[in-house]
Amino acid sequence: QLVESGGGLVKPGGSLRLSCAASGFTFSNAWMSWVRQAPGKGLEWVGRIISKTDGGATDYAAPVKGRFTISRDDSKNTLYLQMNSLKTEDTAVYYCGDFTMGVWGQGTLVTVSS
Amino acid sequence: QAVVTQEPSLTVSPGGTVTLTCGSSTGAVTSGHYPHWLQQKPGQAPKTLIYSTNNKFSWTPARFSGSVLRGKAALTLSGAQPDDEAEYYCLLSYSGAGVVFGGGTKLTVL
Repeated sequence: QLVESGGGLVKPGGSLRLSCAASGFTFSNAWMSWVRQAPGKGLEWVGRIISKTDGGATDYAAPVKGRFTISRDDSKNTLYLQMNSLKTEDTAVYYCGDFTMGVWGQGTLVTVSS
Repeated sequence: QAVVTQEPSLTVSPGGTVTLTCGSSTGAVTSGHYPHWLQQKPGQAPKTLIYSTNNKFSWTPARFSGSVLRGKAALTLSGAQPDDEAEYYCLLSYSGAGVVFGGGTKLTVL
């Protein structure tokens, strides 16, 4: 129901945009989050965009605030994560999901390395 | 930023009962933190088992239940099965500050 794409290898300081395509549920009602998991580590919330009907606001975790931007296109049932000024510590599998609806993608790996 | 704490590891016998807890550095956890519990098995994406303290999905086995107990969110597993061996994460929502995950509890069924 959620498929992430756009991951890959990028150099420190570079940019990458992840996409998350939704199907099988009412995407426009979802409060969508990005969550990441560094190799061998736990889950870390990256940020969230709430539904447009609830205001469409975004929130970000402190480590990514000012560098990452979450957006959504409800006409395409797609969530985005624009990542700028990437650091080696951003290396992780990135998942999209609405944990209250119980929908999660399978993740896409982002590696930041020179 | 708040810190959410979980037991790093727990062991339960098959058929036994175990309670995982989730505390907050800001004080008592309440239903207003909308505690969620997620299960993750190696190599798999996380799966939400419990949302908003004690609500289940159709895929949530009946042996799992959620509550708030003595100032912490709690996930109780009654009648543990070998398939329940996994990492369990709680998350709490903080008004104006987003969401914070706990560090996870590795549950062993042995």
